[in-house]
Formats: sequence, C-alpha cells, structure tokens
Amino acid sequence: NAGVTQTPKFRVLKTGQSMTLLCAQDMNHEYMYWYRQDPGMGLRLIHYSVGEGTTAKGEVPDGYNVSRLKKQNFLLGLESAAPSQTSVYFCASSGSSGRSREQFFGPGTRLTVL
Amino acid sequence: QQQVKQSPQSLIVQKGGISIINCAYENTAFDYFPWYQQFPGKGPALLIAIRPDVSEKKEGRFTISFNKSAKQFSLHIMDSQPGDSATYFCAASTASNYQLIWGAGTKLIIKP
Repeated sequence: NAGVTQTPKFRVLKTGQSMTLLCAQDMNHEYMYWYRQDPGMGLRLIHYSVGEGTTAKGEVPDGYNVSRLKKQNFLLGLESAAPSQTSVYFCASSGSSGRSREQFFGPGTRLTVL
Repeated sequence: QQQVKQSPQSLIVQKGGISIINCAYENTAFDYFPWYQQFPGKGPALLIAIRPDVSEKKEGRFTISFNKSAKQFSLHIMDSQPGDSATYFCAASTASNYQLIWGAGTKLIIKP
C-alpha cells in the first residue's frame, strides 16, 4: 500500500498562474483533508471532504478550490496564485468510524509563488 | 475556544534526558487528543493519542499525561535520543467533527 501520495512534490509558480495539486489514498478512507504549513503556524486546514462528491471549507479556504470526484482522490486548485500562498501543502486522509481518528499524511508539496 | 495552545515553541534536551511538551485547550467537548511527530521534509505521523477517560497513556518511551480538570495534556519523552529530534504537534477533536485542531508545534532538538 502506498498510503497517501501527493503530486507534484515541488512547484514554482508566477503570480496569477493556476495549478492543481493531486492527492490520492489507497486506504478506502472516507475523510480527506488539505492543509498548509507555514513556519511557526503549525497546520491550518484549507478544505476537507467527508465523502465522495462532498467538500467543505476549513480555516483558511480563500484562494483555493477543491474537488472530490472519486473517493480515492482529492484535488486542490489555485485559480490565481499569490505570493501569500507560498507554503508546504499536505494532504491527509482518515477513516470515518471506530475509535481511531488517525489522520495519515502525504509527503507534502512545496509551492513557491514568485 | 477552539484553540489548542502548545508550549514551548522550541526545546533543547541532552541525550538521555526527559523532554516535556505541554498543551492546553478550552473546549470541553474535545474527546480525542493525539500527538504527531514530523521529521524535516516529511508529513506528520501519529505518535500516540489519548482519550479523556484515562489520565495517562504510555507507549515505549513516550507518555501522554492528561489533566481533565486543568484542561491540559502533555507529552513526555523518556531517555530522549538524537533520533527523537523532530517537530511535535498536539491536537484535539470532538466526536461530532473529526477535524483536528492543531497546536503550533514544538521543535525538539536532542543534543548528543
């Protein structure tokens, strides 16, 4: 099992460009999450999904859109990138039942917006 | 009320010593308190978690102490090793919403 994978690993964008980050999980998890991580600020939730075809806003959703067309995939889009979106982006997934709420993380995408 | 406050921001401990990281919360509806470990260039990974029906949970050298009345919980790393050098995050969630509320993180350095 690959767990949670993210593509690409690194990306440099110019201000105003758009891009899509892809997250895939092979654990049949219902819940998926997109976070951004900035120095000294921990992990901040951008958007999340509680199942195929559903999405919801997290703490910092502005400037991002998401889609969950297939259960195993969760896409994060930046329509018009800004330097403030320079960050490391992590995708995570978790099950929806039982006592374990463990979130499994991907390796991250390091995005720089010039 | 949704915040989880973590301290210290950074910590240096000698090899073999005890590392202690603290977290405090306000929302009494939180019922799940995990600690995640993150190495440079990697995603966070669950280290250990506790629920409020117990006051302590131990897994190897890692122990969570939980004080429900004070609304605080802490991570203790016994016999700290250089391989424990990482960033540690506490978090909390409620039964109605599996979203994790994260602390800001503690960068731990274990000196050989």
